Amino acid sequence: DQQVKQNSPSLSVQEGRISILNCDYTNSMFDYFLWYKKYPAEGPTFLISISSIKDKNEDGRFTVFLNKSAKHLSLHIVPSQPGDSAVYFCAASLGWISNFGNEKLTFGTGTRLTIIP
Amino acid sequence: NAGVMQNPRHLVRRRGQEARLRCSPMKGHSHVYWYRQLPEEGLKFMVYLQKENIIDESGMPKERFSAEFPKEGPSILRIQQVVRGDSAAYFCASSRTGTGSPLHFGNGTRLTVT
Repeated sequence: DQQVKQNSPSLSVQEGRISILNCDYTNSMFDYFLWYKKYPAEGPTFLISISSIKDKNEDGRFTVFLNKSAKHLSLHIVPSQPGDSAVYFCAASLGWISNFGNEKLTFGTGTRLTIIP
Repeated sequence: NAGVMQNPRHLVRRRGQEARLRCSPMKGHSHVYWYRQLPEEGLKFMVYLQKENIIDESGMPKERFSAEFPKEGPSILRIQQVVRGDSAAYFCASSRTGTGSPLHFGNGTRLTVT
C-alpha cells in the first residue's frame, strides 16, 4: 500500500523556468512533510519541510505548498538551475511528538527532474 | 550528507553469505533509522533504533535480517544467508533526541548479491 505517491516518474524543465513537483498521500494522520533531493550514488539530502498547521513554506528558490483537504503537496523551484537536476523524493511522517519521538519517514517513489540548459 | 558515515560503500556477496553494514550517526545523534531502496523504488523504512534498544522494527523482514545499535560503536544491519532479492542500496539516517528536525542520511551501502 503506497501511502505517499509521486505519479510523475520524470519531469524536464527549461533552465530559468519553474519546476513543479507533485505528491499525494493517503494517510490523514501524517503531520509533517518533507522534500529530499538525491544525486546518484549519494544519500538523500533534506531540502524543505512543512508541518500540517501551515499551507506554505518558503526557503529561497524552494517553496512547498500543502493542501490538507486534497492530501496533496507540491514543491516549486524557481528559477530552475542545471544543478537542480536530481531525483526528488516526497516524504511524510506522523510527527515526532505524537509518535513518541519516532521520526520514521514514508517516502514516495521519486521524480527525476532534468533541467535543460 | 555530512556526518552520517556508512561503510562499506559497496559490498558484494555470494548467495548464502552474510552481509554486515555499518552506520555511525552524526555526532550528538542517538537515534538511527535504516532504509532500503530497491531499484526504481523509493526508500522503505526498515528499523528504528536508539542506543541498545530497537524501538520500531515494523519494516524489517521477519527472517535473516537483524539490527543493533550498541552502547559503543556503530549501528550494524546484518543480513544472513543473502539472496539475490537483497541486492539494494541501504541507507542509514540519524537524528537527535526530541528535536523534530529532519533526518540526516548517509551515502548508503550498495549491496550486490551474485
